[in-house]
Amino acid sequence: DAGVTQSPTHLIKTRGQHVTLRCSPISGHKSVSWYQQVLGQGPQFIFQYYEKEERGRGNFPDRFSARQFPNYSSELNVNALLLGDSALYLCASSTENTEAFFGQGTRLTVV
Amino acid sequence: GQNIDQPTEMTATEGAIVQINCTYQTSGFNGLFWYQQHAGEAPTFLSYNVLDGLEEKGRFSSFLSRSKGYSYLLLKELQMKDSASYLCAGPSLNSNSGYALNFGKGTSLLVTP
Repeated sequence: DAGVTQSPTHLIKTRGQHVTLRCSPISGHKSVSWYQQVLGQGPQFIFQYYEKEERGRGNFPDRFSARQFPNYSSELNVNALLLGDSALYLCASSTENTEAFFGQGTRLTVV
Repeated sequence: GQNIDQPTEMTATEGAIVQINCTYQTSGFNGLFWYQQHAGEAPTFLSYNVLDGLEEKGRFSSFLSRSKGYSYLLLKELQMKDSASYLCAGPSLNSNSGYALNFGKGTSLLVTP
């Protein structure tokens, strides 16, 4: 069975640009969450979506947005990129009362 | 959310036992997760404790004390491949919608020969 898949794996953008990251959850999982992990830190929660609705939002600016599609895949969008947005962006999927399974992440570098 | 606190770094010898501690705020407690993350890779699930006590899973065990807001991950018979970051996380459980995890900063474990 396929695990959580994310694309792209690596990305380089310049300041001010926008970026779209994609995630496909494990088949049957309806919840998708996004995390930002800066080097040397633990993942920080950005968004959680369930059944196409936002169920949770972390302490991130409005430049960050996300959505979930009818097939439960998800996109994370970041506008007006800053150097500080450089990080590993992790997507996790889960179902009711189970652990979260993480994708390999997208390594975003903003120059 | 919960404040998760764990040591930044630990070093242990191959074949030894190491205990990685985690403390958290007890308000809004919904259990505690441990994840392992090798450099450049995704976190992988190790354990989930919601009741007090020790849960053993092979070389890895996890302990929880809800009254003390304390958990630890115990790694036995350490192997070089156990060198990784170990993340303690408390979930915010939305009814029927899965978990959003509040992670600590992670403990970087180095296993030496």
